[in-house]
Order: sequence, then C-alpha cells, then structure tokens
Amino acid sequence: AQKVTQAQTEISVVEKEDVTLDCVYETRDTTYYLFWYKQPPSGELVFLIRRNSFDEQNEISGRYSWNFQKSTSSFNFTITASQVVDSAVYFCALRGAYMIKAAGNKLTFGGGTRVLVKP
Amino acid sequence: NAGVTQTPKFRVLKTGQSMTLLCAQDMNHEYMYWYRQDPGMGLRLIHYSVGEGTTAKGEVPDGYNVSRLKKQNFLLGLESAAPSQTSVYFCASTRALDRVDTEAFFGQGTRLTVV
Repeated sequence: AQKVTQAQTEISVVEKEDVTLDCVYETRDTTYYLFWYKQPPSGELVFLIRRNSFDEQNEISGRYSWNFQKSTSSFNFTITASQVVDSAVYFCALRGAYMIKAAGNKLTFGGGTRVLVKP
Repeated sequence: NAGVTQTPKFRVLKTGQSMTLLCAQDMNHEYMYWYRQDPGMGLRLIHYSVGEGTTAKGEVPDGYNVSRLKKQNFLLGLESAAPSQTSVYFCASTRALDRVDTEAFFGQGTRLTVV
C-alpha cells in the first residue's frame, strides 16, 4: 500500500519569506511518480510539479523548487519569496508506475499543508 | 475546452436521501476517478474506471456506487446518504498512458452536505 505524509498541517509566513513544505512517502514500487498540487481558496486543484522516481535531479521553476531524495523517501517543495497569492492548501501525491491497465494511474494524496502568506 | 465538468456544484441532502453526481470530460480520456476530500485527510479515492463499462473500488468505496456507461461520463451515486458522506467530491480523468507526464485533470468539485 502507498502512503503520503505531510506532517505540517499549517504554515504561516510573512510575504517574501521562503516556505518549505515537507512530504514523506511510502511505496513498495520500484518506479513511481511524485506530484505537488495547489488548492487555492476557490477550491480547484492546480497541478504544479511532477518527478520520476529514477530522476533525483532537483530543479527550480520560477519561484518553485523541489528536493527529491529517494534515500529518505522525501519530496519537499519550496516557494521562494512567497506572495499573498501563494496562500493555499498544497498536496503532495504519489502514483505507482505499473504499466497495467487495471492499476489505473491512481493517485495517493497526503493530507495537505495549508499555507497562509500574510502581507 | 471544458475539461472536466462536475454537476452539481453544491447540494444539501437529508439523511437517507439518494443522489447522483455527474462527471463529464471532453478530452477522450480512458481513465476516470472519484475522490472525496475531508479536512486533514487529503483526497481519498472512492471508485475509478479504466474504460467504458468498467469500474473498480478505491480506498473508501462503501456507501457509493458508480457507473461508466459512456466513455465521457462517470456517475457517482449515493443510495442512502449519511452525515459521514458530507465532503467535497472531486472527479478526475487521465489518459491511459502510464508516463510521468500523464496529468490528472480535476473538476471544480462538488460540496455535499448531508444533514
């Protein structure tokens, strides 16, 4: 069974501070994919980033960056120079790579971390 | 391009009533899903479908039924609503290809309250 844990339930920062969201996962799959989604107050789910399990290169995309460490089963996400518009709930998610139709590309989500950016 | 559309957006039910949530996607995706979102628990998979006429149970299927009679539609039914089914429900769809860039597209969500 897969499991995703986001230990931080809520983080409050002042605008322009950096925010790092922790994500720890459990899976028996040798190949898998990791994702971060954002849910703003309007309620929709917005895809942010994705990563292969066999590619541990960390990247930066604009104000977003992520740190994937397979050895510790962690996939942390950082927002640099936070803005009020970054206030949202952020979800980490995991999907196994099965190449089997019945597996259905199902996502397993963490509980979410609410980020509040104050002006 | 509408993407994934859920109907209705909001609903209040009395305990014991039944209802059906409709999900429609216009991307010709093979796979469709129903999740529920509860505070602190993230999104949990209720049921999913890997093609027209097929459905399978997810993590929390009890109290729900689903049908996928047409490729573009995935219906979620509550036969006898209970207060524990008060939640926000999300439908999603993906193409069948199992690759890292197989993105899940989500609907806007349905907020259901059972009183």
